[in-house]
Amino acid sequence: RKEVEQDPGPFNVPEGATVAFNCTYSNSASQSFFWYRQDCRKEPKLLMSVYSSGNEDGRFTAQLNRASQYISLLIRDSKLSDSATYLCVVNRPGGYALNFGKGTSLLVTP
Amino acid sequence: SQTIHQWPATLVQPVGSPLSLECTVEGTSNPNLYWYRQAAGRGLQLLFYSVGIGQISSEVPQNLSASRPQDRQFILSSKKLLLSDSGFYLCAWKVDFQSGYTFGSGTRLTVV
Repeated sequence: RKEVEQDPGPFNVPEGATVAFNCTYSNSASQSFFWYRQDCRKEPKLLMSVYSSGNEDGRFTAQLNRASQYISLLIRDSKLSDSATYLCVVNRPGGYALNFGKGTSLLVTP
Repeated sequence: SQTIHQWPATLVQPVGSPLSLECTVEGTSNPNLYWYRQAAGRGLQLLFYSVGIGQISSEVPQNLSASRPQDRQFILSSKKLLLSDSGFYLCAWKVDFQSGYTFGSGTRLTVV
């Protein structure tokens, strides 16, 4: 089983739509969770951390379900500029490194 | 503020040639440093990480090596490149155990 699994998509949505991405992780001892955004041929950039109580940053909402080992990202009122690949990231327990999912591709169309 | 520099941005190298990629971090001390590779259409693969000068942990490879000669410098090397070494190489650093990474802008390596 892969450490971090995501639906690769692509998700094609019209502007203004709401879209949700899901991610599962395998190690129940993981403690730090993140969503990164990667534009084509660019480096990944931190979008937001994910906290146990859930957190929101503008149009973006992240949720964590530790019991199910499940992380989600909700994007409301999608913009054309949201088109990118979204990476789910989980820390390696007891270590210093992070594990990345392969990413979910989002295309927002006019 | 902290910044991370990585160069070159693009590199085309023949099979069997050596490789040296450099990464430096400014504005912080004793960062945890990482080298990742992203092959075409694939996820990020951790290659090496370092928690201090001279300390290198290797995840995978075979014909790649890493060194940390100074606190804020991390170097990825190979003596002889293979075609399979092509990919997008990313250096990253993180502040502490709980934080996420900040990535450099990456080096796109094509081995021909």
